[in-house]
Amino acid sequence: DQQVKQNSPSLSVQEGRISILNCDYTNSMFDYFLWYKKYPAEGPTFLISISSIKDKNEDGRFTVFLNKSAKHLSLHIVPSQPGDSAVYFCAASLGGNNRKLIWGLGTSLAVNP
Amino acid sequence: NAGVMQNPRHLVRRRGQEARLRCSPMKGHSHVYWYRQLPEEGLKFMVYLQKENIIDESGMPKERFSAEFPKEGPSILRIQQVVRGDSAAYFCASSRLPGQGPSDNNSPLHFGNGTRLTVT
Repeated sequence: DQQVKQNSPSLSVQEGRISILNCDYTNSMFDYFLWYKKYPAEGPTFLISISSIKDKNEDGRFTVFLNKSAKHLSLHIVPSQPGDSAVYFCAASLGGNNRKLIWGLGTSLAVNP
Repeated sequence: NAGVMQNPRHLVRRRGQEARLRCSPMKGHSHVYWYRQLPEEGLKFMVYLQKENIIDESGMPKERFSAEFPKEGPSILRIQQVVRGDSAAYFCASSRLPGQGPSDNNSPLHFGNGTRLTVT
């Protein structure tokens, strides 16, 4: 039972263009969503988050959009850079609880020069 | 990632042996979490500890697995009598606060680079 779904296992984008990574969830009680980036042989690195009271949060080249009615969030990276090539994980939590993050399976992003 | 230190990076054990995984949280962090990533699966929560206390171990297998976070020293995840199904990447994370709170980007989890356990 995958409560957080990242349906695209991989994505390839040209340098300078926009990368859009998608995430769907099934539990309407989730109230906090996070994106993490992971390089091979390293742990996940926090990127950006959004609480369910907002529909957009922006941090530099990274913007997360939340559509609660569709139970969908997306991460936009503009402009994409080769160093952004990594696996991106979407995660959700209940009640602002750091402990039991529910993770998607990840999307592998390749940014081509 | 350098702030949360995990060792060893790679651990090979034969079936039936014990595995000990260590985690030192980031400076100033008193909340430690262990996650496991099985092959072809996402990260799964195992246990949440504060100093000398297990707060939530609902994700831990009922047998053979235990965790501690003593007053002094690193947090330890211990797996007794390992089996092949225990082969996975084990990640430790720490945070300054226990929850995210209403503000965005408030006290997120910081992860170590993981310990890759292989059971032969």
